Amino acid sequence: GENVEQHPSTLSVQEGDSAVIKCTYSDSASNYFPWYKQELGKRPQLIIDIRSNVGEKKDQRIAVTLNKTAKHFSLHITETQPEDSAVYFCAAIPVNDYKLSFGAGTTVTVRA
Amino acid sequence: EAGVAQSPRYKIIEKRQSVAFWCNPISGHATLYWYQQILGQGPKLLIQFQNNGVVDDSQLPKDRFSAERLKGVDSTLKIQPAKLEDSAVYLCASSLEGQGARSFFGQGTRLTVV
Repeated sequence: GENVEQHPSTLSVQEGDSAVIKCTYSDSASNYFPWYKQELGKRPQLIIDIRSNVGEKKDQRIAVTLNKTAKHFSLHITETQPEDSAVYFCAAIPVNDYKLSFGAGTTVTVRA
Repeated sequence: EAGVAQSPRYKIIEKRQSVAFWCNPISGHATLYWYQQILGQGPKLLIQFQNNGVVDDSQLPKDRFSAERLKGVDSTLKIQPAKLEDSAVYLCASSLEGQGARSFFGQGTRLTVV
């Protein structure tokens, strides 16, 4: 099955700086890569996703990049704000499968 | 729109006791998932339903866990008997058929086994 690894496990950044989270996946058949944000005690919420036919996608201050050859994808948050503090999970899903395989998560802390 | 509803929010039980969790998916969502999220880890799929049929239960510890979705809407997840290592948040998620990646999660049930 799919194995997703996520780094770093914790990330502390100064408000206004950028944050980058990286994930690798094992199954070359994976073609959909969502990112979820989970605030303390709350549900995971989809914040952005990317499909394998796209190399980069942006949505305001967040962007995702995908390198299919290397089987890794990244989340970039620019101009970080205190409300960006949360746990972020990457995930991968193979084509013709509906099972999300999650990374272990990255705890992001934005220091004011 | 109404989201995925779960109950209870919290549950504390002693080991070897039984517990059940309930999930009501978003209206019209054919696919329902139960995930186990242990503290500090990402969600791990336990079971996936398509309408009232099981699609994938390969990660479900069937000796103690069971789940059903009899009418293809609500679902219950049961643990009997519970072990200490079952302490986790149990998340329910749902999606439209064929769009499993765009899953919407419930608030989860935090289970503590003492």
